[in-house]
Amino acid sequence: EVQLVESGGALVKPGGSLRLSCAASGFTVSNVYMTWVRQAPGKGLEWVGRIESKTVGGRIHYAAPVRDRFTISGDNSKNTLYLQMNSLKAEDTAVYYCTTYDYGGPFYWGQGTLVTVSS
Amino acid sequence: QSALTQPPSASGSPGQSVTISCTGTSSDVGAYNHVSWYQQHPGKAPKLMIYEVSERPSGVPDRFSGSKSGNTASLTVSGVQTEDEADYYCSSYAGNSVIFGGGTRLTVL
Repeated sequence: EVQLVESGGALVKPGGSLRLSCAASGFTVSNVYMTWVRQAPGKGLEWVGRIESKTVGGRIHYAAPVRDRFTISGDNSKNTLYLQMNSLKAEDTAVYYCTTYDYGGPFYWGQGTLVTVSS
Repeated sequence: QSALTQPPSASGSPGQSVTISCTGTSSDVGAYNHVSWYQQHPGKAPKLMIYEVSERPSGVPDRFSGSKSGNTASLTVSGVQTEDEADYYCSSYAGNSVIFGGGTRLTVL
């Protein structure tokens, strides 16, 4: 059974950094495409970025609002996906979901972790 | 890229059919059959209901169906039930990114 468990969400000041984790089970993270999706309070879903499987090169793509500030990576030994977030802004406040990616979109979703950027 | 366009709300009485539209462009919805639909209940994570325009994942009731014509995809709930009251989002593959719709709140009257 596929399971995704995010952690690491917290209250952080503007300009600060945070690393989110997504522990996976039921499959190997490096063998599939994975994405991060976020949802600001009371708002819709927003794609953050995608990492391709290592078997096809592991390329990473980011949405424009987070490019150059966020970094997606994976740890094969822990079967975990990460989202390193730097230079955080108030508008980054959201629930962050990690998902598997298949058939052109998010497939299995985690439960999400809340990031609040506020002074 | 701009978000896909969904109506903010839809409604229906139990047993009725409800259809939610999702309009994109010839660069996303119109270009690929990679359209998905997600159901989200308050405080919960989204759940995949439809992928590849009309495919249902295991466990999704067959009253949920999807279709596409040109740049517009649609989700139909045939015989809507009270537990179907939720927010619904569409998404489309767009090359190296994914675009979501703004969401539609389905109310079961």
